[in-house]
Amino acid sequence: EPEVTQTPSHQVTQMGQEVILRCVPISNHLYFYWYRQILGQKVEFLVSFYNNEISEKSEIFDDQFSVERPDGSNFTLKIRSTKLEDSAMYFCASRVGLAINEQFFGPGTRLTVL
Amino acid sequence: AQSVAQPEDQVNVAEGNPLTVKCTYSVSGNPYLFWYVQYPNRGLQFLLKYITGDNLVKGSYGFEAEFNKSQTSFHLKKPSALVSDSALYFCAVRESSGDKLTFGTGTRLAVRP
Repeated sequence: EPEVTQTPSHQVTQMGQEVILRCVPISNHLYFYWYRQILGQKVEFLVSFYNNEISEKSEIFDDQFSVERPDGSNFTLKIRSTKLEDSAMYFCASRVGLAINEQFFGPGTRLTVL
Repeated sequence: AQSVAQPEDQVNVAEGNPLTVKCTYSVSGNPYLFWYVQYPNRGLQFLLKYITGDNLVKGSYGFEAEFNKSQTSFHLKKPSALVSDSALYFCAVRESSGDKLTFGTGTRLAVRP
């Protein structure tokens, strides 16, 4: 069964450093998402991406964040200058074309900012 | 703005007994409703969804959920719980015209043998 994959599973970085989180969505999916879950809190939407453009973003997704689909398979989230409060589990998700379809989530990357 | 409430942080049930995990939502327009389950150190796994039609939807692993428009609820149910059902359950809503999912805070289900 196809699944969304994410690398690395755990990333530790120093405050102020740049990090890139990587995702490989399911191959025939067209819509891509990033969500995050701060420890003990609920899953929050960050950004959605379709047709090589951001289609929606939340207030959390400020200028420090960017997304890219550099080739036909990867979808990345970059945090330019990490803050302590960026420590969270980051989930990538993807969805096939029809709007009624569910999003499939990856296993997540745990980001720890020291 | 869309929102989801899961009023119970934890639900405890004995194996073999029926279980219910509660969810209420608020959204403008028609809702698309979803349940996801999260096992330790794993991602969110899709269980079932309501888009339109029959108010009772059936999903994976014997789970079902009932959509109630007047009560704006979408409670998750299972007739007979298994110890392996113990996990964190998230309800989520999407506006039919939108794309982002809004999640509840999650309910931890503990099934005792």
